[in-house]
Amino acid sequence: NAGVTQTPKFRVLKTGQSMTLLCAQDMNHEYMYWYRQDPGMGLRLIHYSVGEGTTAKGEVPDGYNVSRLKKQNFLLGLESAAPSQTSVYFCASSYPVNLLALREQYFGPGTRLTVT
Amino acid sequence: SQQGEEDPQALSIQEGENATMNCSYKTSINNLQWYRQNSGRGLVHLILIRSNEREKHSGRLRVTLDTSKKSSSLLITASRAADTASYFCATAPYSGAGSYQLTFGKGTKLSVIP
Repeated sequence: NAGVTQTPKFRVLKTGQSMTLLCAQDMNHEYMYWYRQDPGMGLRLIHYSVGEGTTAKGEVPDGYNVSRLKKQNFLLGLESAAPSQTSVYFCASSYPVNLLALREQYFGPGTRLTVT
Repeated sequence: SQQGEEDPQALSIQEGENATMNCSYKTSINNLQWYRQNSGRGLVHLILIRSNEREKHSGRLRVTLDTSKKSSSLLITASRAADTASYFCATAPYSGAGSYQLTFGKGTKLSVIP
């Protein structure tokens, strides 16, 4: 099992360019998440999905869009990149809630994005 | 918004010593989870403790939870250089409220000196 994989690992964008980050998981997880991690800020949730075809906003959704067309994939898009979106992006996945309890999440290795 | 807050922000110990990290949170939770992150890598789940549990062990890890004080601690016994990493607590609300989000703290950076 590869677990959670992310593509690409590194990317440099110019302000205004667009790109898509791909997350794939092979654990048949229902839930998938996109986070960003900035120094001194911990992890902040951007968007998440509780099933194929569904998405929802997290804590910091502005400037990002997502799609979950297949259960195993979760795409994060930046339509017009800004320097404030320079960050490390992590994807995670998990099994659905059990007895109303969120379960542990499995993380990918991250994508380091720089916007100049 | 940050729910869990770890303390201390950074900790440096000698190999073989015990390391204790604390996490405080503000609102009611269903469970609390601890994660480790090695430099430049993704987070790895360590242990989950439910709100009706007070203590849990996994190998050299011991986690306690005090819901009356809204706090948790992670103890790593007999630390090794390989334990050098950042450690995060994450709180999980009752998902019946419609929330599916873990809320992570800012982490404790642990350095274990050989």
